[in-house]
Amino acid sequence: NAGVMQNPRHLVRRRGQEARLRCSPMKGHSHVYWYRQLPEEGLKFMVYLQKENIIDESGMPKERFSAEFPKEGPSILRIQQVVRGDSAAYFCASSPGLRVNEQYFGPGTRLTVT
Amino acid sequence: DQQVKQNSPSLSVQEGRISILNCDYTNSMFDYFLWYKKYPAEGPTFLISISSIKDKNEDGRFTVFLNKSAKHLSLHIVPSQPGDSAVYFCAASASQYNFNKFYFGSGTKLNVKP
Repeated sequence: NAGVMQNPRHLVRRRGQEARLRCSPMKGHSHVYWYRQLPEEGLKFMVYLQKENIIDESGMPKERFSAEFPKEGPSILRIQQVVRGDSAAYFCASSPGLRVNEQYFGPGTRLTVT
Repeated sequence: DQQVKQNSPSLSVQEGRISILNCDYTNSMFDYFLWYKKYPAEGPTFLISISSIKDKNEDGRFTVFLNKSAKHLSLHIVPSQPGDSAVYFCAASASQYNFNKFYFGSGTKLNVKP
C-alpha cells in the first residue's frame, strides 16, 4: 500500500511564475490536507479538502494560492505569481475519514523561488 | 499567534538514557494531542497520541504525558537509541470544532549520541 505521494520533490520557480504541487493520497483516503513549513518553523495548516470540496481554507493566503481535489486525480496546490517568501516545504497529508485523528504525510515538495 | 510551542529547539542525549521533549499550548479547547517524528527530506510520521480524557499513553519506548491544568505535554523516550535522532513535532487539535485542523509546534531536534 503506497503512502502519500507528492511531486515534484523539488521545484524551482522564478518570481512571477506559477507553481503547481501535486499530492496523491493513500489508497482509500478521501481527505487531504496541505501544510507549509517555513525555515526553522513548524508546519502550518493551509487547507483541508475532500473530493471536489474545500472544507476549511482558513490557513490559505487570500491571494495567489488555490487548492483543489478533483473527483479523479491528485490534489493540486497552485501558487500564482510566486514571490521569494513562498519558498518553503509544502507537505500534503491524508486521512481515511473525518473522525480519524492521525494524518499520514507525504515527503513534501521543496519550493525555491529565485 | 503560536498556539502550540516547543521552546527547546534542540536536545542532545546519550544512548540508553531518557529523552524528554516538552510542548506547551495556550488554547484550552485543544483536546487531542499528537507527536510526529521527522527525518530530513521526509514527511512527518505519526508516533503517538493522547486524548484529553487521559493523562498518560504508552507505546513501547514512547510515553506521552498530558498535564491539562498546566497546558503541557511531554514525550518520554526510554531508552533512547541513535535511530531516534530526528525532529519531533507536537500537534494539537480541538475535536469539538474541527477534528482535522492540526496546530503544530516548531519542533525539537533530538540528537542521540552513541
